Amino acid sequence: EVQLLESGGGLVQPGGSLRLSCEVSGFTFNNYAMTWVRQAPGKGLDWVSAISLSGGHTEYADSVKGRFTISRDNSKNTLYLHMNSLRADDTAVYFCAKCSSTCSTKWFDSWGQGTLVTVSS
Amino acid sequence: DIQLTQSPSFLSASVGDRVTITCRASQGINSYLAWYQQKPGKAPKVLIYAASTVQSGVPSRFSGSGSGTEFTLTISSLQPEDFATYYCQQLNSYPLTFGGGTKVEIK
Repeated sequence: EVQLLESGGGLVQPGGSLRLSCEVSGFTFNNYAMTWVRQAPGKGLDWVSAISLSGGHTEYADSVKGRFTISRDNSKNTLYLHMNSLRADDTAVYFCAKCSSTCSTKWFDSWGQGTLVTVSS
Repeated sequence: DIQLTQSPSFLSASVGDRVTITCRASQGINSYLAWYQQKPGKAPKVLIYAASTVQSGVPSRFSGSGSGTEFTLTISSLQPEDFATYYCQQLNSYPLTFGGGTKVEIK
């Protein structure tokens, strides 16, 4: 059974940093691209970032480019999202998701349950 | 960036109704479109990918169609467990974008 478990969310002050983790099981991690999607309270889905199988290629939404960094450790079956210079509008539930192969031209076929990030003073 | 416009944003329907949700892209995206269902407090779940392919395990009452810039998700006979919010997503090019969502509620 495919499982994705996010952790690392919490309350952080504006301008602060946080690192989210997504530990996966049930599939061969290094065979799939991975992605992060967020959802602000009461709002829709907002794609954040994606990373290739090896980690050598990354993509970002304009809203997080230069502030967030996606990475992966294939030896630990873990995906990360390093978030710096956090703003109030980054407050959201952050989901990690498995892409069916690559992320572009395919689809997100498994999702974690999400971890809540709250940016507030 | 490619914008996706879903309509309607809210839909009130009864069990057994046929429901159609439309997703329009601001430019052509071939058939690189997926549909997701999300229930409150839960993660999204893929229903349809490549515009018209039903994900394994998804009931056959769900179907998708379209290509280019106009797409539809149809539920042939709405069931109680289908009351949820539905999102389209384009995967043609980065940044990958979602539609604003359609909330389907019980009439």
